Order: sequence, then C-alpha cells, then structure tokens
Amino acid sequence: NAGVTQTPKFQVLKTGQSMTLQCAQDMNHEYMSWYRQDPGMGLRLIHYSVGAGITDQGEVPNGYNVSRSTTEDFPLRLLSAAPSQTSVYFCASSYSGGGDTQYFGPGTRLTVL
Amino acid sequence: GIQVEQSPPDLILQEGANSTLRCNFSDSVNNLQWFHQNPWGQLINLFYIPSGTKQNGRLSATTVATERYSLLYISSSQTTDSGVYFCAVRPSGTYKYIFGTGTRLKVLA
Repeated sequence: NAGVTQTPKFQVLKTGQSMTLQCAQDMNHEYMSWYRQDPGMGLRLIHYSVGAGITDQGEVPNGYNVSRSTTEDFPLRLLSAAPSQTSVYFCASSYSGGGDTQYFGPGTRLTVL
Repeated sequence: GIQVEQSPPDLILQEGANSTLRCNFSDSVNNLQWFHQNPWGQLINLFYIPSGTKQNGRLSATTVATERYSLLYISSSQTTDSGVYFCAVRPSGTYKYIFGTGTRLKVLA
C-alpha cells in the first residue's frame, strides 16, 4: 500500500491564483480530512469527509473548497489564494471517523506571494 | 469549543533520560491520539488511546478520560526521539479532530 499520498510537495502561487491540492489513499478508508499547519503551531482542521459524497467544515474552512466523489480521493481547492494561506497542508485518512487511527500524508508546502 | 493544552511546551533532555508529556482537554472526547512530528515534518502515529494504558517499546501512554488528560511517557530517550509531540482529540458528538499546541522535544547526545 502507498498509504496517503499528496501532490505536489511544494507550490508557489501568486495572490489571486487558484489551485487544487491532491490527496489520495489506497486503504479503503471512509474518513478523510485536510489540515493546515502554520509555523510553530499545531494542526487546524480545514474540511473533512466521512464518506464519498459527504463533506463538512472544520475549524478554518474559509477560502477552501472540497469534494469527495470517490472513496480514494479528497482534493482541496484554493479558490483565490491569499498570503494568509501560506502554510503546510496535510491530508489524513482513517477507516472511520468514529474511532480509528489517523494516517497522514507527507504534506504540501504552499507559499502565496 | 474544546481546548487542548499540552505541557511542557519545550523540553531538552540528555540521551538516556525519561520524560512525561501531558495533554489536558476541556471537554469529553471519544478519541485521542498521540503523534510524533519528526524534524522533516512527517507525522507518525504513536498511540490511539481514548482510555486506558498502552505500551510500545520505550513509549507508553495513559488516558484518564473522566479526568480529561492523557500522558505520554518516553523512557531512555534517544536523539531520534527529537521533534514535536502532538495529542489530538475528537470531542464527543463530532467528527472533528482538534490538535494540541505540541511539546517540542530535543534530545542531546
């Protein structure tokens, strides 16, 4: 199993540009989530999904969109990038959202100029 | 919303020393996990421990959900233990995981 994969590893955007961060898992996990980690801080939940077709907002959803059309994929879209969205983005998955170990991807380092 | 606080915020140890990291949370939770973020930024699962005690080699963890805290014990620390340790909780009635502020550990050779 590849586990949780994220692409790209690094990205530089200009203010106002849009982009999609990709996340995929091959463990047949129902629960997937996106976090952002700012320097020296813990992770904050952006959006999560408890299964295909079901998404919900986390702590810091503004400026981000998600969709979950398949069990395997959970892309995160930045609609109009802002410097405040400069961060490291992590995707995670678990078998269910109820009570299972979360597994994290390697992260995407995003810089918005 | 729930508050998750970790202590101490920073810790420096000599190789071979033992340490205890603490995670306090302000409301009832259904899930608690400990993670290690290594110096390269990778997040590694240590324990899924909503209650009780678990051990894995030199590491062990205890969660007392009724008193709203969890402890992570590191014995005979090694330089490879360096990094940031996070606890993450899932409050009862939600699917949202909330991370603590982390404990930054440095183990000196």
